[in-house]
Amino acid sequence: GNSVTQMEGPVTLSEEAFLTINCTYTATGYPSLFWYVQYPGEGLQLLLKATKADDKGSNKGFEATYRKETTSFHLEKGSVQVSDSAVYFCALSDRNEKLTFGTGTRLTIIP
Amino acid sequence: GAVVSQHPSRVICKSGTSVKIECRSLDFQATTMFWYRQFPKQSLMLMATSNEGSKATYEQGVEKDKFLINHASLTLSTLTVTSAHPEDSSFYICSARRGTSGYEQYFGPGTRLTVT
Repeated sequence: GNSVTQMEGPVTLSEEAFLTINCTYTATGYPSLFWYVQYPGEGLQLLLKATKADDKGSNKGFEATYRKETTSFHLEKGSVQVSDSAVYFCALSDRNEKLTFGTGTRLTIIP
Repeated sequence: GAVVSQHPSRVICKSGTSVKIECRSLDFQATTMFWYRQFPKQSLMLMATSNEGSKATYEQGVEKDKFLINHASLTLSTLTVTSAHPEDSSFYICSARRGTSGYEQYFGPGTRLTVT
């Protein structure tokens, strides 16, 4: 079956640091890949997505590239802000459009 | 934007009682709604998919007689946990989608259920 593995948190960084949250997946076929973000007290929000190999998703300074050869979709941001503190979920969607999530990574940015 | 609400945000009930959780799409019509369950430090697990006016489709291992799902309108789906037990304590999250395929899912903030 499908599965998503992402780095365990929590992750604590200083403001303006470089961020990487690793995500690898196992799936049959050609899934779409997503990063969702959950701010305190709110529902999950789609941060970015990529639907085919070598696609790069980007939003709000975050980027992730769909790497089929390494089955990875790592999330990166060059300079994090305190407002980026949240829980980040990597996910995939199969052709049935069901989402499979990773366990989430809690990110805390210190001023 | 597309906003999904859940009510209540947290509920405590006694073992053996039933609890109903509501999921509403506030500013769009949701043809399809999903219910997820999340255990501490674990990922969201899809429980069931419901299309408006149809019976819900449950994932393998989810007891459909225990977790009753009703998607009676394009803006409301309910999850009823029947005869709740402490092991049903969890965080329940719903999401809603405008169409049956090719559309983004919008998530509610979740409901924390504690069964004593």
